[in-house]
Amino acid sequence: QLQLQESGPGLVKPSETLSLTCTVSGGSISSSSYYWGWIRQPPGKGLEWIGSIYYSGSTYYNPSLKSRVTISVDTSKNQFSLKLSSVTAADTAVYYCARGRGAFDIWGQGTMVTVSS
Amino acid sequence: QSALTQPRSVSGSPGQSVTISCTGTSSDVGGYNYVSWYQQHPGKAPKLMIYDVSKRPSGVPDRFSGSKSGNTASLTISGLQAEDEADYYCCSYAGSYRVFGTGTKVTVL
Repeated sequence: QLQLQESGPGLVKPSETLSLTCTVSGGSISSSSYYWGWIRQPPGKGLEWIGSIYYSGSTYYNPSLKSRVTISVDTSKNQFSLKLSSVTAADTAVYYCARGRGAFDIWGQGTMVTVSS
Repeated sequence: QSALTQPRSVSGSPGQSVTISCTGTSSDVGGYNYVSWYQQHPGKAPKLMIYDVSKRPSGVPDRFSGSKSGNTASLTISGLQAEDEADYYCCSYAGSYRVFGTGTKVTVL
């Protein structure tokens, strides 16, 4: 069955770029039936959609983060990635990757990223 | 793009029914039949419970049901069970974007 696993640094310094990768196993990331997304959750707070990437390569980002976010896909590695630039303490959160098929039906376990010097 | 509005908390006794509302605008909830609901237990990833307003993924008990009227969607849990105690989030398509609700804590008394 399909599984997603986030990976990347757990600690990022303020003003630097947060980089995370989501590895998809048990299925192909190249399927036209799905899209792939990133969602985050600050400690003790709710979920926030960051953005999504479709099979066509089209990307859609949360308007509040759009100027700092890039989502890309590496089909050769069956992975997709998130880059968030100029991070501040407000970007401290658990970051989830997920598969979309209409709704987000399969989620990774999440990875905690702390922004601190 | 503002978060959808949910009640902070709802509670009920085992066997009872509870309903969680999710209020948006005509640009999100009211404009599309693409509302989904997620259950999240502490320290765990969210789990899809309802999609396309009222459809249940395979494996989700039929105690969970969804509906929508105008700009407000609702999740109803019938026959409340102890394991239903969790946080619940709605999410709506908003024209290429997605917006989540503020979240509701369901407590089983």
